[in-house]
Amino acid sequence: QVQLQESGPGLVKPSETLSLTCTVSGGSVSSGSNYWSWIRQPPGKGLEWIGYISYSGSSNYNSSLKSRVTISVDTSKNQFSLKLSSLTAADTAVYYCANLYCSRTSCYLGYWGLGTLVSVSS
Amino acid sequence: QSALAQPASVSGSPGQSITISCTGTSSDVGSYNYVSWYQQHPGKAPKLMIYDVSKRPSGVSNRFSGSKSGNTASLTISGLQAEDETDYYCSSYTTISTWVFGTGTKVTVL
Repeated sequence: QVQLQESGPGLVKPSETLSLTCTVSGGSVSSGSNYWSWIRQPPGKGLEWIGYISYSGSSNYNSSLKSRVTISVDTSKNQFSLKLSSLTAADTAVYYCANLYCSRTSCYLGYWGLGTLVSVSS
Repeated sequence: QSALAQPASVSGSPGQSITISCTGTSSDVGSYNYVSWYQQHPGKAPKLMIYDVSKRPSGVSNRFSGSKSGNTASLTISGLQAEDETDYYCSSYTTISTWVFGTGTKVTVL
């Protein structure tokens, strides 16, 4: 059973850069057909897909966040990370990391972390 | 990319069946059979309930079923139970290799 755990600061100042890490256990970030994703959810609102990365480093991002987002993978630590720059209060949300399984015949977000609340405030 | 459209709320009595719709476009729901549904209880991470339009992960009750017609996918919950009262989100792969979620539906058991 794959497990994911987010880690990072709970409070970040406006205009700064958020850095979150997701540690994967029970599976390898180098597994084929697996893409490592970030999703966020502002308080009381819906889910928003941020982006994903493969073990080889190929990535894709939500167009609305693309200019501020970088997702990277560290296969030696079995981790992947999110950086989101130029933060504003609108970036306050619970941030989830998740496993996106995509083969030629199937594609879904299977395993999710518990989520971590990030507040943007001075 | 715009969020997939879901009704804000759906309600039903215990034992009844309800259906939640998820309307997208030919650039997402209409293009692939990669529609999935997630159940989210307050303060918890989303849980995969249906994937690839109609497949159920191991351990998910067979009271949950999914379907798709054109640009609209649907989740049906039959034999509605009190524990089903929570939020549900659809999602879909898109033609530009991204993912998009639905706006979310709150299910109320009357």
